[in-house]
Amino acid sequence: ILNVEQSPQSLHVQEGDSTNFTCSFPSSNFYALHWYRWETAKSPEALFVMTLNGDEKKKGRISATLNTKEGYSYLYIKGSQPEDSATYLCAFDDQTGANNLFFGTGTRLTVIP
Amino acid sequence: DADVTQTPRNRITKTGKRIMLECSQTKGHDRMYWYRQDPGLGLRLIYYSFDVKDINKGEISDGYSVSRQAQAKFSLSLESAIPNQTALYFCATSDFAETQYFGPGTRLLVL
Repeated sequence: ILNVEQSPQSLHVQEGDSTNFTCSFPSSNFYALHWYRWETAKSPEALFVMTLNGDEKKKGRISATLNTKEGYSYLYIKGSQPEDSATYLCAFDDQTGANNLFFGTGTRLTVIP
Repeated sequence: DADVTQTPRNRITKTGKRIMLECSQTKGHDRMYWYRQDPGLGLRLIYYSFDVKDINKGEISDGYSVSRQAQAKFSLSLESAIPNQTALYFCATSDFAETQYFGPGTRLLVL
């Protein structure tokens, strides 16, 4: 069982603030790191799949970075909006080739209008 | 129409009953997965299948069984439900080792 940790567990920010949170994962046997956005009562929705050390991906106001050597990834949201309120999940994919994802417990973001 | 559908969306059952959760996908993916989500825990893998003839146990397969009836269908069964199987269950699909696409989830309550 792999240990994937996310911090903080939850946070509240004001509309317009920028924020970031962390995903920590094992630095060995790394294949990929996935980020998902999960709104209540909906399906988790893929944001990014990151595979290379130093990778940086961006989708609108959301971006992510990856450090495979030290085993962490950051997710950034610039100028948070109420519609960004969701739980953000990261998942570690190891080198077994089975595409089994090991999920963290998520960071629950609430953006206050 | 959603690419990954799950039925039922909500289910209440009693201890000892056999129930089946169904998942269908229209994405044409070979790989399908069943996860459960409990409060305070990450999604945990129950079973996965790479094609109709390939079924594999995940991290927490005890008490569950699966059936891959076709490329598009993957069912999860609880042979004799128990209260600690109360959880939110997700089905997912993927194309080789890529992004997994999730269904809307089935909320199961075992009394």
